[in-house]
Amino acid sequence: AQTVTQSQPEMSVQEAETVTLSCTYDTSENNYYLFWYKQPPSRQMILVIRQEAYKQQNATENRFSVNFQKAAKSFSLKISDSQLGDTAMYFCAFVDYGQNFVFGPGTRLSVLP
Amino acid sequence: SAVISQKPSRDICQRGTSLTIQCQVDSQVTMMFWYRQQPGQSLTLIATANQGSEATYESGFVIDKFPISRPNLTFSTLTVSNMSPEDSSIYLCSALQGYYNEQFFGPGTRLTVL
Repeated sequence: AQTVTQSQPEMSVQEAETVTLSCTYDTSENNYYLFWYKQPPSRQMILVIRQEAYKQQNATENRFSVNFQKAAKSFSLKISDSQLGDTAMYFCAFVDYGQNFVFGPGTRLSVLP
Repeated sequence: SAVISQKPSRDICQRGTSLTIQCQVDSQVTMMFWYRQQPGQSLTLIATANQGSEATYESGFVIDKFPISRPNLTFSTLTVSNMSPEDSSIYLCSALQGYYNEQFFGPGTRLTVL
């Protein structure tokens, strides 16, 4: 069975600084997708960024980028120029081609003014 | 991306009663999911709801307690039956959509059982 681990339950960063959230996963599949989801205190979960496992190039969405290391089964999220609105729970998630979804335990990020 | 709405957004219920949560998607989707989430915690999958077939429940969740309907490709309901204070939680619905098998989430229903 697939598993997703986020080793940092809580993190904080100063506004305008850069922060990296860690995620590791375990799977025997070769083809899958990885995601980072953000859940602000208002509760609605939104997709931040996605990565296809067969693509070596790291995904980037504005201030959000990932460092995808397939061999190491690592998928970290980097947030540049952190903003107060980035304060949220961040969930790493894995889905295989069979549509089996697994979420990590989450990292609570606080952006400090 | 799919836009998902849920009703009610929150409710306070008495022990022993039942509550039905509605989930509406603005486009047709094949798979919908129901999750439970304690504040500050990760998501726990309750069941997968497919149109035209019975829902598939995860270990620890049973149909008698959490009956689910999926009458069409845009709508689903989750009922929390015979509630106890332990059922107090946030209930989220989501839909699977897109080439990348992304999940899109509703805003959640915050349930408090007294």
